[in-house]
Amino acid sequence: AQKVTQAQTEISVVEKEDVTLDCVYETRDTTYYLFWYKQPPSGELVFLIRRNSFDEQNEISGRYSWNFQKSTSSFNFTITASQVVDSAVYFCALLKTSYDKVIFGPGTSLSVIP
Amino acid sequence: NAGVTQTPKFRVLKTGQSMTLLCAQDMNHEYMYWYRQDPGMGLRLIHYSVGEGTTAKGEVPDGYNVSRLKKQNFLLGLESAAPSQTSVYFCASSYPRDRTFTDTQYFGPGTRLTVL
Repeated sequence: AQKVTQAQTEISVVEKEDVTLDCVYETRDTTYYLFWYKQPPSGELVFLIRRNSFDEQNEISGRYSWNFQKSTSSFNFTITASQVVDSAVYFCALLKTSYDKVIFGPGTSLSVIP
Repeated sequence: NAGVTQTPKFRVLKTGQSMTLLCAQDMNHEYMYWYRQDPGMGLRLIHYSVGEGTTAKGEVPDGYNVSRLKKQNFLLGLESAAPSQTSVYFCASSYPRDRTFTDTQYFGPGTRLTVL
């Protein structure tokens, strides 16, 4: 069975704090892709990152970084020096390559307080 | 290049009414998807299509029908709307690099549907 768990339903941080959003996935496939999407209050879904199962290198993009650990089936997302514009719901998702469907986690709502 | 567009943006229906949501993409993507988003449940796949003329069921297909007569369009139909279908509907598309996996999905802006 495939599943994506985002245990943190809601997180509030004060601006400039660092925050980590957790994502744990389940799959029996050896080849798969993981994604993070951002959904700001305006409602659209914005693609942030894609990672394939063979690439465990951490990635940094500006204030965003992602930590992929196959040993713990986790793909965590850290925002450094958070800003109010980071307030959004963040979804982690898993694509099983043989199935061509993406399974989304329930999302984590992040509020950054000025 | 508009990406993925959805029509309409908002709609209110009465129970039993029918309607069609239109999704269009101009990226020449092979795959298209319809999701619904409900509070606390993330996105759930309703139906998807891997090419023109083909459709398949996702996680929650009951009460919906789809058609993909043209590669760029993917229609989602509700024949007899029910209050349980009140949701935000997202369309997405993607382009497979080969037939074994699907690349990143790009989403439309969503349609907010209320069924009274």
